[in-house]
Amino acid sequence: EAQVTQNPRYLITVTGKKLTVTCSQNMNHEYMSWYRQDPGLGLRQIYYSMNVEVTDKGDVPEGYKVSRKEKRNFPLILESPSPNQTSLYFCASSWSGSPLHFGNGTRLTVT
Amino acid sequence: AQTVTQSQPEMSVQEAETVTLSCTYDTSENNYYLFWYKQPPSRQMILVIRQEAYKQQNATENRFSVNFQKAAKSFSLKISDSQLGDTAMYFCAFMSMNYGGSQGNLIFGKGTKLSVKP
Repeated sequence: EAQVTQNPRYLITVTGKKLTVTCSQNMNHEYMSWYRQDPGLGLRQIYYSMNVEVTDKGDVPEGYKVSRKEKRNFPLILESPSPNQTSLYFCASSWSGSPLHFGNGTRLTVT
Repeated sequence: AQTVTQSQPEMSVQEAETVTLSCTYDTSENNYYLFWYKQPPSRQMILVIRQEAYKQQNATENRFSVNFQKAAKSFSLKISDSQLGDTAMYFCAFMSMNYGGSQGNLIFGKGTKLSVKP
């Protein structure tokens, strides 16, 4: 089954404790990206990658890192999480110009 | 920069009735895609319908159809014969066709929460 898999689905952590949210797709998509969703703000892009070893900032990249060492994986790294990064996070992938396929989301709470 | 505006934060409709969700956008580009995504309480992002800007014909998917007015930069979603399962947050989104970083970046509106009442 074609899918984008994110883990974990829920995560509660404390300020400053490094964490990684994993994302994997099995559709051989070139394009992958991370979004955060906050009430009243819709979804905003954090980082994107157009191919292996090619990443760039989206609209709200501060406090996040990504890497794309393999085509299928695109982890999101929070080196020192803060409470303002409490949010719902989505990973997505696509071919150029095709609709995005979204993962099921990760609910992150930073206390 | 592109922007997407959904002016109706919340709407409700009776089961079996028709409802229209509004979306306007701003762009200087001529080639782009527009989407409507549905997010039910399960929080999955589900593609409802897609429209290519170069196509004059409005897209239709079963009970869902759009009214795409390119000159007015308007992209409304009509849901016919509303069902309880249509209750969800609906997001309008824009994507550039230009090569480069903007391609694949969906610009979302803030969403419209739709409630279908029995």
